[in-house]
Amino acid sequence: NAGVTQTPKFHILKTGQSMTLQCAQDMNHGYMSWYRQDPGMGLRLIYYSAAAGTTDKEVPNGYNVSRLNTEDFPLRLVSAAPSQTSVYLCASGGQRKFSSYNSPLHFGNGTRLTVT
Amino acid sequence: RKEVEQDPGPFNVPEGATVAFNCTYSNSASQSFFWYRQDCRKEPKLLMSVYSSGNEDGRFTAQLNRASQYISLLIRDSKLSDSATYLCVVIPTDSWGKFQFGAGTQVVVTP
Repeated sequence: NAGVTQTPKFHILKTGQSMTLQCAQDMNHGYMSWYRQDPGMGLRLIYYSAAAGTTDKEVPNGYNVSRLNTEDFPLRLVSAAPSQTSVYLCASGGQRKFSSYNSPLHFGNGTRLTVT
Repeated sequence: RKEVEQDPGPFNVPEGATVAFNCTYSNSASQSFFWYRQDCRKEPKLLMSVYSSGNEDGRFTAQLNRASQYISLLIRDSKLSDSATYLCVVIPTDSWGKFQFGAGTQVVVTP
């Protein structure tokens, strides 16, 4: 049971390039999410998905996701900007029950992205 | 105002001492609370959930004060290995799926 796996661990992009950060979980979790973490700022939610086939955006521009199956939740940077330099963390959690959600998140070990 | 606020610290604690710190949240509709631990350049890892009546896990005690809208974490008999950043996490009832993270409190345990 690998938990949440993120690739790559590190990457350098040039402004305007695109790339996809991969995230996979093997815990059959319904909920998956992407955060970015910047010094002194805490974790900021980018996108989340309640289940395969659904996604919800929190940050308006610059990112796209897909959730074609339960396991995978890739994050795509459409046209990278220096402001997107950050550590990106993928997390998964339990299944949604009615309108509440109270399961803790399990994090991958992150992707450190630099946009030059 | 941030939705979840923490004193960034650092809290410098002698080994064996007790340290406590709080996390305040603004959304009174918040329903679930957690403490996470994050080591330098690592991902956050769940330390413990916070229950309404308060709960302990070994040397760690978590409390919830709904009236004043804060949670707390107390670490007794601090170990060098407790040095980390502690993040509080709040799940609001009215914003499903949008976990709210504090920026973290740094704890440094010294010999």
